[in-house]
Amino acid sequence: AQSVAQPEDQVNVAEGNPLTVKCTYSVSGNPYLFWYVQYPNRGLQFLLKYITGDNLVKGSYGFEAEFNKSQTSFHLKKPSALVSDSALYFCAVREAFMDTGRRALTFGSGTRLQVQP
Amino acid sequence: DGGITQSPKYLFRKEGQNVTLSCEQNLNHDAMYWYRQDPGQGLRLIYYSQIVNDFQKGDIAEGYSVSREKKESFPLTVTSAQKNPTAFYLCASTPKGAGHYNEQFFGPGTRLTVL
Repeated sequence: AQSVAQPEDQVNVAEGNPLTVKCTYSVSGNPYLFWYVQYPNRGLQFLLKYITGDNLVKGSYGFEAEFNKSQTSFHLKKPSALVSDSALYFCAVREAFMDTGRRALTFGSGTRLQVQP
Repeated sequence: DGGITQSPKYLFRKEGQNVTLSCEQNLNHDAMYWYRQDPGQGLRLIYYSQIVNDFQKGDIAEGYSVSREKKESFPLTVTSAQKNPTAFYLCASTPKGAGHYNEQFFGPGTRLTVL
C-alpha cells in the first residue's frame, strides 16, 4: 500500500520569504512523486515530479522540491513567496512499476499556503 | 485545466435522484480517472479506466457507476445508493506509453450538492 502525509494543514509565510510545504510518503518500492496546486473551485495543476535522477527537481512558477530517500520526504520549496502563490497544495505518490492497470496516484490531504503581503 | 472539460460546474440534486457528471478530453489520453474531494481529506479514487469498454473500481466506488464507450468520454453517475454525495468531483487523464510516471491532467471539477 502507498500513502502520503502532509503534516501541516496550513502554512503562513510573508511575501518575499522562503516557503516550505512538507510531504512524506510510504511505498513498498521506489516512488514516483508529484506536487499539484489547486486554486479555489478549480482542478489541480501539475507543478513538478520526481521520477529518478537528481534529487532536486525544478518545476513551474519557481517551485522546486527535494527528494530525500532516507527520510522518505519530498518537500516543496520556493526561495521567495508571492501573494499569488496562496492556494492549496497536494503531494501525491505512486509506486514505480506497480500494477500498470491502475496508475492512479495517492494524494495527501493537502496544505493550504497563505502568503501575506 | 488543459484539454479536459467537466460539466456542469455546479449541480444540485434532490435525495434519491441519480445524476451524471460529464468528463470529456481531447488529449488522446488512454487512461481516465474520477476522484472525489472532500475538505481535509485530499482526493480519493472512485473509478478508473485504462482503455475503452474497460473500467475498474477505485477505493470508494460504492454508490457510483461509470462507462467508457468512447476514448474521449468517461461519465460518472452518482446513484441514490451513495450515502453522502455532496463533494467536489474531479476527472483526470493520463497518456499511455513508456511513461508509467506520466503526470495526470485534471479537469476543472464539478461541485455536487444534495439538497
